[in-house]
Amino acid sequence: DQQVKQNSPSLSVQEGRISILNCDYTNSMFDYFLWYKKYPAEGPTFLISISSIKDKNEDGRFTVFLNKSAKHLSLHIVPSQPGDSAVYFCAGTSGNTPLVFGKGTRLSVIA
Amino acid sequence: KAGVTQTPRYLIKTRGQQVTLSCSPISGHRSVSWYQQTPGQGLQFLFEYFSETQRNKGNFPGRFSGRQFSNSRSEMNVSTLELGDSALYLCASSSRQGQGGELFFGEGSRLTVL
Repeated sequence: DQQVKQNSPSLSVQEGRISILNCDYTNSMFDYFLWYKKYPAEGPTFLISISSIKDKNEDGRFTVFLNKSAKHLSLHIVPSQPGDSAVYFCAGTSGNTPLVFGKGTRLSVIA
Repeated sequence: KAGVTQTPRYLIKTRGQQVTLSCSPISGHRSVSWYQQTPGQGLQFLFEYFSETQRNKGNFPGRFSGRQFSNSRSEMNVSTLELGDSALYLCASSSRQGQGGELFFGEGSRLTVL
């Protein structure tokens, strides 16, 4: 049972435009969500998070939106830059449970 | 401060052998988690250790085991290797048990089983 789903394996966006990465979850107990970014040959690095008591969290060019009723969250990157090209993982957790990751979306930002 | 360090970075084994991977967490972090990353499967949770005790375990066979030492360093062992064990093994540390938030990942140990 895949509790966190990232249905788009890849996404291509032009530099300067908006990138929108989507994530769906099935576990209604999840109360905290995180996005990680991974470059080749490196470990994932934390990008941004959101608690279930919020519906939006912003950090510079990155904004995460949470729709609890739809069990859906999205990561918006505006404007997209070539350095944003990476694999993005969405993860959910509840309390002290381990993070459950999606399979990732590979973002390519084209100059 | 130094990040999470994993050794070795790359290794090649043959089926039936066993392997031990090592992880040194960020200084002061007492929680260490291990994940397996394979193409198309994302990051799958193996286990988490906190204060030398296994706190959580993922859905992997008993061939996968781990331990944590008093200095918070951790090792994971895979016995009787199978071709399907070829993967990137990632270690992550956290200041809190159960992760509960941000994990700090190492660069991983890439295992190839021939």
